[in-house]
Amino acid sequence: GAVVSQHPSRVICKSGTSVKIECRSLDFQATTMFWYRQFPKKSLMLMATSNEGSKATYEQGVEKDKFLINHASLTLSTLTVTSAHPEDSSFYICSARTVEDYGYTFGSGTRLTVV
Amino acid sequence: AQSVSQHNHHVILSEAASLELGCNYSYGGTVNLFWYVQYPGQHLQLLLKYFSGDPLVKGIKGFEAEFIKSKFSFNLRKPSVQWSDTAEYFCAVKRTDKLIFGTGTRLQVFP
Repeated sequence: GAVVSQHPSRVICKSGTSVKIECRSLDFQATTMFWYRQFPKKSLMLMATSNEGSKATYEQGVEKDKFLINHASLTLSTLTVTSAHPEDSSFYICSARTVEDYGYTFGSGTRLTVV
Repeated sequence: AQSVSQHNHHVILSEAASLELGCNYSYGGTVNLFWYVQYPGQHLQLLLKYFSGDPLVKGIKGFEAEFIKSKFSFNLRKPSVQWSDTAEYFCAVKRTDKLIFGTGTRLQVFP
């Protein structure tokens, strides 16, 4: 089946630095990918929709300048957390829509800790 | 506001007990509905989905869900749970091209 690979699985960074998270569709092309943030014991909050070759669409309340999304190819979307602060510490998950079955496949997530 | 509600936040069961997790949505019109499971330390996995047709949907691992349009519900059921079903369960609704998730239900199954 469709596989989405997310890297890294864990990252610790210093406050003020930037962190890039990659999301790859391994065996299918994904024109649309989604980025979620999951707080401890909370639901997944949709942050943005990443569209190949165009600007991402951000959900209300998500800072587009802090969470930079690039979807440069049909198999890769990246989320860069810029000038990270401890409150950005969270679990970030990407997802891609699989056209064949109109479903969604999720990456394994990235645990970001900002110290 | 449009939303997905999961009223059971934490469910504790013994093995072989029956399970029903509630999911209600507030969107009008045609909806696509999903149930996902997240085992500890793992990524989200699709249990089942409903797009159209038979409102009783059967998924993997013995799970099923029933879409009741009049009640705006899509409850997840399993007749006999196992210890390995311990996980977080998420109901989701597809809105335009996006998946909107409920708050999740943590299921603990004890031997």
